[in-house]
Amino acid sequence: SQQGEEDPQALSIQEGENATMNCSYKTSINNLQWYRQNSGRGLVHLILIRSNEREKHSGRLRVTLDTSKKSSSLLITASRAADTASYFCATVTNSGAGSYQLTFGKGTKLSVIP
Amino acid sequence: DAGITQSPRHKVTETGTPVTLRCHQTENHRYMYWYRQDPGHGLRLIHYSYGVKDTDKGEVSDGYSVSRSKTEDFLLTLESATSSQTSVYFCAISGGLAGANEQFFGPGTRLTVL
Repeated sequence: SQQGEEDPQALSIQEGENATMNCSYKTSINNLQWYRQNSGRGLVHLILIRSNEREKHSGRLRVTLDTSKKSSSLLITASRAADTASYFCATVTNSGAGSYQLTFGKGTKLSVIP
Repeated sequence: DAGITQSPRHKVTETGTPVTLRCHQTENHRYMYWYRQDPGHGLRLIHYSYGVKDTDKGEVSDGYSVSRSKTEDFLLTLESATSSQTSVYFCAISGGLAGANEQFFGPGTRLTVL
């Protein structure tokens, strides 16, 4: 079953605009991660935010986490055509015996128009 | 994709035949994972390994088996392939002690079962 659900499913913006994607989840998490997938390729890790963190930055990426609302957002500023990809949130939960499991959402497909 | 290879990259097979997919890593990471990616479902975990000869089931393990006899290799076997197993299969690896860290993905294997 899906733990994280991204919103919107698809997003189309002009180059230079900001893109915001949201992720909601259902159960308590250890951390939340965002990944990017270019067409026909494997996923690439972008950023990890722990449950005790509220905001994290990496270059043009800004991630927020609100554990009270069980939601996260990924903001890409000053988007470029090369940012065109699918973006997935993944929640990390304790699966017992001291190990953890990553569960992916279905993704947001971002198109950046030059 | 550096440090992780998958073979074959593409395979077409017939219903009822056995199929083995191989994941090879050069990072000496403890955790290895097999996912399948299907339209409308995102990535779903099939099986994972937390050490040599230590494996466990994921969300969609029925019809699949795995083996890990060496740190660097994780094999996924479809004992008798069915059309519902047509998918793109991704291997991933993760370091650390408990599998809560970022995952690194291979390039994927596109499997078609006729």
